[in-house]
Amino acid sequence: SQQGEEDPQALSIQEGENATMNCSYKTSINNLQWYRQNSGRGLVHLILIRSNEREKHSGRLRVTLDTSKKSSSLLITASRAADTASYFCATDETGGGNKLTFGTGTQLKVEL
Amino acid sequence: NAGVTQTPKFRVLKTGQSMTLLCAQDMNHEYMYWYRQDPGMGLRLIHYSVGEGTTAKGEVPDGYNVSRLKKQNFLLGLESAAPSQTSVYFCASSYPIRGGSSFQETQYFGPGTRLLVL
Repeated sequence: SQQGEEDPQALSIQEGENATMNCSYKTSINNLQWYRQNSGRGLVHLILIRSNEREKHSGRLRVTLDTSKKSSSLLITASRAADTASYFCATDETGGGNKLTFGTGTQLKVEL
Repeated sequence: NAGVTQTPKFRVLKTGQSMTLLCAQDMNHEYMYWYRQDPGMGLRLIHYSVGEGTTAKGEVPDGYNVSRLKKQNFLLGLESAAPSQTSVYFCASSYPIRGGSSFQETQYFGPGTRLLVL
């Protein structure tokens, strides 16, 4: 079963705008990760936030985690056409063993 | 470093045929994973391995078998392919547990194998 559910399923914005994607999950977690997938390619890790962290930054990426609401958000600032991709959250569930559970993803399209 | 590589990139099978997908990593990772990706479904874990000689079932293991005879290789086998196994298959690997932690670290993905079963 899918642990993470991303919202929205698809997002279309203009270059230069900010893009926000949300992920909700069901059980307690050790950490939550965000991955990007360009069309026809494998997933690439973007950022990892641990359960005791509330916010993390990496370049134009900002991730927040609210464990009380079991949700996370990924903000991409000043988006570029090259940011067009699908974005997935993945959770490392507490007691879930040595594996991640991926959500269904958000398709982001950044138009010129 | 080549990272994670997958062979083949694309394959067409007839129902009932068998095949093996090969995943290789050169990062000395302990953990390796096989996922399938279908439209609107995200990634679903088929099987995984936490070390040479060990394998475990994931979320959707039926119809697949795996082997991890060498640390750097993880093979996914389809004994009798079915149209429902048409999908894109991704292999991934990750670092070992460090300092006794059970946390799951970053996974590194291969480019995928596109499989069509007719």
